Amino acid sequence: ETGVTQTPRHLVMGMTNKKSLKCEQHLGHNAMYWYKQSAKKPLELMFVYSLEERVENNSVPSRFSPECPNSSHLFLHLHTLQPEDSALYLCASSQDSQGRHGAFFGQGTRLTVV
Amino acid sequence: DAKTTQPTSMDCAEGRAANLPCNHSTISGNEYVYWYRQIHSQGPQYIIHGLKNNETNEMASLIITEDRKSSTLILPHATLRDTAVYYCIVRVGDAGGTSYGKLTFGQGTILTVHP
Repeated sequence: ETGVTQTPRHLVMGMTNKKSLKCEQHLGHNAMYWYKQSAKKPLELMFVYSLEERVENNSVPSRFSPECPNSSHLFLHLHTLQPEDSALYLCASSQDSQGRHGAFFGQGTRLTVV
Repeated sequence: DAKTTQPTSMDCAEGRAANLPCNHSTISGNEYVYWYRQIHSQGPQYIIHGLKNNETNEMASLIITEDRKSSTLILPHATLRDTAVYYCIVRVGDAGGTSYGKLTFGQGTILTVHP
């Protein structure tokens, strides 16, 4: 248990569906991240939020829309996804925006787009 | 952030020390060495990090060479539950930087601990 909780753990959605992934941390961290891990590929950073402000967007398609309503919660809204978007989506948080003390990851949401 | 090179895979006998090497010959003076591991289908787990001094915590030890161009993660008494992919990451850790804590993961080392 890392203190970072992601829901749901598994999600199957059609290409026309709209769904949201949720991440929650009660570690008092100020920065939160979304990563994507596709099969046989390294983790890829998608978004970075520092003090609820998006500070980085790594050329992610607009069908992925993040939201950070407060420092404890992070969402990833999904719409009109493609089958190639099927992957493990990981949320992480760090104590400060520099991540000097390491980042803590959730267990991930296994997303399958059909 | 500096690039790292790790062996693709390693084996270790249960109860023995697992020594995982990492080369980071282009590391800059303000870059830290971080180690994470990822057990199958779970999120990565932070293990340890350091700048130039050797570090030890309840999970592992980190040995960084004097020239900082390579490091070794040591799991002193490996167990079957230590079977995972181990990632060595080098990144800026100083305040005022713009890396915002992001981690650039490579392929890592697949460590298999066998009975």
